[in-house]
Formats: sequence, structure tokens, C-alpha cells
Amino acid sequence: QVQLVQSGAEVKKAGSSVKVSCKASGGTFSRYATSWVRQAPGQGLEWMGGIIPVSGTARYTQKFQGRVTITADESTSTAYMELSSLRSEDTAVYFCARSRVSGSYLGGFDYWGQGTLVTVSS
Amino acid sequence: QSVVTQPPSVSGAPGQRVTISCTGSSSNIGAGYDVHWYQQFPGTVPKLVLDGNNNRPSGVPDRFSGSRSGTSASLAITGLQAADEADYYCQSYDSGLRGSVFGGGTKLTVL
Repeated sequence: QVQLVQSGAEVKKAGSSVKVSCKASGGTFSRYATSWVRQAPGQGLEWMGGIIPVSGTARYTQKFQGRVTITADESTSTAYMELSSLRSEDTAVYFCARSRVSGSYLGGFDYWGQGTLVTVSS
Repeated sequence: QSVVTQPPSVSGAPGQRVTISCTGSSSNIGAGYDVHWYQQFPGTVPKLVLDGNNNRPSGVPDRFSGSRSGTSASLAITGLQAADEADYYCQSYDSGLRGSVFGGGTKLTVL
């Protein structure tokens, strides 16, 4: 059974950066896309980007291009999402999620991390 | 403003059938990309209830089904139960954005 375990809650100042980790266990990490999805308080789900670890190349949605960096460490089966230049609107729960289809961003997300609350204060 | 739209809310009485629509465009649903559906209760992690238009992961009852036509897709829930009251999100792939897109979410209320 695949498990995704994320790092703990963060409180950050506006203008700073945050890095959230997502450690996978119980499955094949390298070939499945790990995506990052965020959910602001009372709002919907928003795909930020993802990475297929074996390819080493990440994709980002345009909204976050230039501010987000997604990486993966195959040796520890851990994906990371770093968001910079934080502003109050970035206060949200950040989820990692694994695509159901190997080597593709097309599948639904069958496994999710527990979520990491990032609070940005001014 | 999401590129994939859902009604903000739907409601139905126990035992009834409800549908939740998901309207996209020619670069996502209309291009033939699979549509996936998630159920989310307040304060919890989203759960995949339909994958690839009409494939239910293990444990999801067959009261949940999906359909699609053109640039739209729908989630149908039959035999509505109080336990189905949750937020529902559709998701697809967008070729222009080269990534996933979510609908804005629909709150299902069981009357």
C-alpha cells in the first residue's frame, strides 16, 4: 500500500520561502508523477505542478511559474515543493498526490499526502 | 476562474439521483482526456471516486458513475445517502496548460 507522508505545518513571513516534503513508501516512486495541489481556506483544489522522478523534469502551471520549484530525490523516495516570495494569499493546505498512471500526468490521483498547512503572515 | 467549471452546489433527497456537471473546453475534456472525480469531506484529504470517466477504485460503491459528451462530463450518484454529503471535484488534463486542471468544486447537500 502506497503512503505519502508530508512534513509538518509551517508559519512563514511574507516574502520568504517554504519547502514542503512528501515521502513515499510502499510503491514504485520513480515512475509515477507526484503532483502538488493546494487548497486555500474555504476554496477549491488547485494543481500547482508535478514531477515524474525518473525524468527529473518538473512541470508547473503558469500561475506559479517562477515562484515554485518541484524536485524529487529518488534515493529517499521524497518529493519537494518550494514556493518563494510568499504572500498572504499563499496561506493554504498543500497536498502531494500520486498519479495513478505510470509515467504520465494523465491519470487521477489515487494516493494523497495528509496535507501541510502553510500560513503566511505579514 | 477555473478553466473547468462546476455548479457551486447541488442538492437531493435521500434515495434520489443527483448529477454534477463539469464543463471544460477543446483543450481538456473536449480533447478526449480522461475526467476524474474526487469526494472531499471538510478537513479531510480528497478521495478519488471515479478514475478515467467511469472506473471506480476499490471500495467505491456502484452508486457512483460517470459520463461525458463533447466538452462536458458528469458525475451521477444514485440512491443518495446522508453520507454522500461532501464537496466533489472534477479533474482533467489540459494540453494548453500541459498539466492538470480542477473544476471549482460542487457542494452536495442531502436534504
